[in-house]
Amino acid sequence: QVQLVESGGGVVQPGGSLRLSCAASGFSLSTNFMQWVRQTPGKGLEWLALLQKDGSYQYYAESVKGRFTISRDLSKNTLHLEMNDLRPDDTAVYYCAKGTGWVADYWGQGTLVSVSS
Amino acid sequence: DILLTQSPDTLSLSPGERATLSCRATQDVTKNYLAWYQQKPGQAPRLLIHGASSRATGIPDRFSGSGSGTEFILTISRLEPEDFAVYYCQQTAHSPLTFGGGTRVE
Repeated sequence: QVQLVESGGGVVQPGGSLRLSCAASGFSLSTNFMQWVRQTPGKGLEWLALLQKDGSYQYYAESVKGRFTISRDLSKNTLHLEMNDLRPDDTAVYYCAKGTGWVADYWGQGTLVSVSS
Repeated sequence: DILLTQSPDTLSLSPGERATLSCRATQDVTKNYLAWYQQKPGQAPRLLIHGASSRATGIPDRFSGSGSGTEFILTISRLEPEDFAVYYCQQTAHSPLTFGGGTRVE
């Protein structure tokens, strides 16, 4: 069955970098759209980035454009989110999600990122 | 960007009652590419409805979605105890994909 397991979260200082990973099983990243969504503690959902299933194009929210990069490693069937120049308001739980089209039909359990000095 | 406004913020109901949740968009959602998700405390969101009215796999038929253009509705016909949660709408027609602020059903 479809499973997504995020990792790589933790505490980082403002201005720092972090790389999140999302290990996928039960399906291939090469044939599915993938995305990252975050949720600030106690708040709502914010869509961050989407990777086309052929890997040809990435879409980003304005709030992370130029700082975050979505990518994938097909040999490991793993999705990544490279996050640079982190700010305190990037503190959130980060979810990866598999898409049917652009609809997130399966979600991981999330990984917590805390940006604090 | 397409902004989504959900109402009400909180819906206070009892098991067995009908829940009607609204999601309004600032512009037409192309091809009714509107999804609804349910989120319970400490859990990831779960897809309920896509394409405004199509139930996702395994979703009970007490959940139904309707609407078009800029006005969308999620209806839970008879609330079960496990349905008390936060519900989000999301438009998947245009990047950036956007979520509504959520409705808590308590």
